[in-house]
Amino acid sequence: GQNIDQPTEMTATEGAIVQINCTYQTSGFNGLFWYQQHAGEAPTFLSYNVLDGLEEKGRFSSFLSRSKGYSYLLLKELQMKDSASYLCAVKDSNYQLIWGAGTKLIIKP
Amino acid sequence: DGGITQSPKYLFRKEGQNVTLSCEQNLNHDAMYWYRQDPGQGLRLIYYSQIVNDFQKGDIAEGYSVSREKKESFPLTVTSAQKNPTAFYLCASSLPLEANVLTFGAGSRLTVL
Repeated sequence: GQNIDQPTEMTATEGAIVQINCTYQTSGFNGLFWYQQHAGEAPTFLSYNVLDGLEEKGRFSSFLSRSKGYSYLLLKELQMKDSASYLCAVKDSNYQLIWGAGTKLIIKP
Repeated sequence: DGGITQSPKYLFRKEGQNVTLSCEQNLNHDAMYWYRQDPGQGLRLIYYSQIVNDFQKGDIAEGYSVSREKKESFPLTVTSAQKNPTAFYLCASSLPLEANVLTFGAGSRLTVL
């Protein structure tokens, strides 16, 4: 079966750095996505990786290793507004999105 | 501003009743999707549509129905056959299916009393 694993919950301190990991086992691979979702709201797109390596976008970076089936989202200079769930999703060989359950990130002052 | 509008935001239903969730987009996107979100689980695809008058079942289509009579609209009906309908429902759209980014609506929370 297809599977996306990410930690259920993480806690970090305002101003610090946090890394949210995502491992996947899917039938084929056509890209990995990270979305941010505040409670009760719509997920919003953060990043997309299809080749190995690091993609940087402001305070957020996303890394992919296809050989290891592994990605991480790195958030720097954490702000209180970064408290949200972070969803990892992989597009399989049929271009269908397989979603992880999400990681709830709690930021403490 | 372009976006996706879902209504209602909150909906309560008695057992045995059908309910319809509205989804309208003005992004001129071809593809539209309905997902269900439950605590502790990833988003699960209910139905998707790539073009008007065509739609495909997703992973959990049983107990749901959709229509796509207009490009802008993709309503979802939760029927009485859906055994556990209480959930958060998300509508999304994108450019053609292979395109990368989904734009989501704000969601509809359905509670069955």
